[in-house]
Amino acid sequence: DARVTQTPRDKVTEMGQEVTMRCQPILGHNTVFWYRQTMMQGLELLAYFRNRAPLDDSGMPKDRFSAEMPDATLATLKIQPSEPRDSAVYFCASGPSGRVGEQFFGPGTRLTVL
Amino acid sequence: QKEVEQDPGPLSVPEGAIVSLNCTYSNSAFQYFMWYRQYSRKGPELLMYTYSSGNKEDGRFTAQVDKSSKYISLFIRDSQPSDSATYLCAMSAGQAGTALIFGKGTTLSVSS
Repeated sequence: DARVTQTPRDKVTEMGQEVTMRCQPILGHNTVFWYRQTMMQGLELLAYFRNRAPLDDSGMPKDRFSAEMPDATLATLKIQPSEPRDSAVYFCASGPSGRVGEQFFGPGTRLTVL
Repeated sequence: QKEVEQDPGPLSVPEGAIVSLNCTYSNSAFQYFMWYRQYSRKGPELLMYTYSSGNKEDGRFTAQVDKSSKYISLFIRDSQPSDSATYLCAMSAGQAGTALIFGKGTTLSVSS
């Protein structure tokens, strides 16, 4: 049963610390998305990749967020330095080529910045 | 005005009721319309997928798209307690692998 995996599931950290979230997309999917979900804003796109190349990261605060795909089996989202307003659930999703909108979400990383 | 508007609810119905969930949108270029279901502390999962206008039925679920009114709906017949979740509409104008624009989600509670 192929699924997207994310680590860690929960992260509590202090303001100013670096946070790294990892995602393993479904094998064979060529697009990977990072979303952030909060009660106020809902699900917001932060960045996405196609064939490991970044296509759009306009949703990310560039001064503190960075997203990379070092290889086809790993996507990372890094926040440095973290701030309390970054507290949210971060989802990774992957999708196959050829079908718009079919995205498979991971279980999310619940980040709390104190 | 956000590109996609969705009433957050919450919506509470008794078991067996017909549920109607709706979204409006402003971008006439949207061609692909989806409904995702999200259970508490889980990631969203794709529930229904529609291209352009029309209806699509899958078991107890029916998705409707009215592009002339920029309005989409999801109907759930014979609702069950297991349908209790947040339902998010999502849309895209683009090719495969492009980003989706999500509504904020409607929280549904079905009581037995």
